[in-house]
Amino acid sequence: AQSVTQLDSQVPVFEEAPVELRCNYSSSVSVYLFWYVQYPNQGLQLLLKYLSGSTLVKGINGFEAEFNKSQTSFHLRKPSVHISDTAEYFCAVSDRGDKIIFGKGTRLHILP
Amino acid sequence: EPEVTQTPSHQVTQMGQEVILRCVPISNHLYFYWYRQILGQKVEFLVSFYNNEISEKSEIFDDQFSVERPDGSNFTLKIRSTKLEDSAMYFCASRKPSGQQTYEQYFGPGTRLTVT
Repeated sequence: AQSVTQLDSQVPVFEEAPVELRCNYSSSVSVYLFWYVQYPNQGLQLLLKYLSGSTLVKGINGFEAEFNKSQTSFHLRKPSVHISDTAEYFCAVSDRGDKIIFGKGTRLHILP
Repeated sequence: EPEVTQTPSHQVTQMGQEVILRCVPISNHLYFYWYRQILGQKVEFLVSFYNNEISEKSEIFDDQFSVERPDGSNFTLKIRSTKLEDSAMYFCASRKPSGQQTYEQYFGPGTRLTVT
């Protein structure tokens, strides 16, 4: 069975500082990995995805993530956050591109 | 850019009543999904639907739930007799045909269901 662990429920960070949101997954098969963002009172928007190939994946809004198979991790990073990045971030996994298993989410709180 | 739409945005219903949540997936997509998010919790998979039948469902998706694609454009989730614990945000999602493998599911904005 697949599962996703997001180690931090909340991450406070100062504006213009770098941030890393951690995600670990478990799966017995090859997986597809995703990061989704949910802005306040909105739906889910795909930030980036890893299907195959280069382990460093670049997404929208300056975010990137690195797939590490040996550590079963897919951490999300941004070199300099903006107040508009305030949102909940969900790491997710899918083994066939079908049902998606989500982590519990990390709330990114940008401090002025 | 095409997007998934959902109606209504907010539905309030009394316990025991039937509700139908509606979704219009992106027009050339062939795989459809429902997920739910109870307030403060993670997003959970409910059901996937392809070729007019359920392809997978979770343990949450019991006999009180059903899905339908009645007219080739809408995709509905019916809850036959709502319970307080059905209160959640329900997200519809759709995905492209298998020959265009991006594995990205496009999510709608959600319907907030409140059962009183």
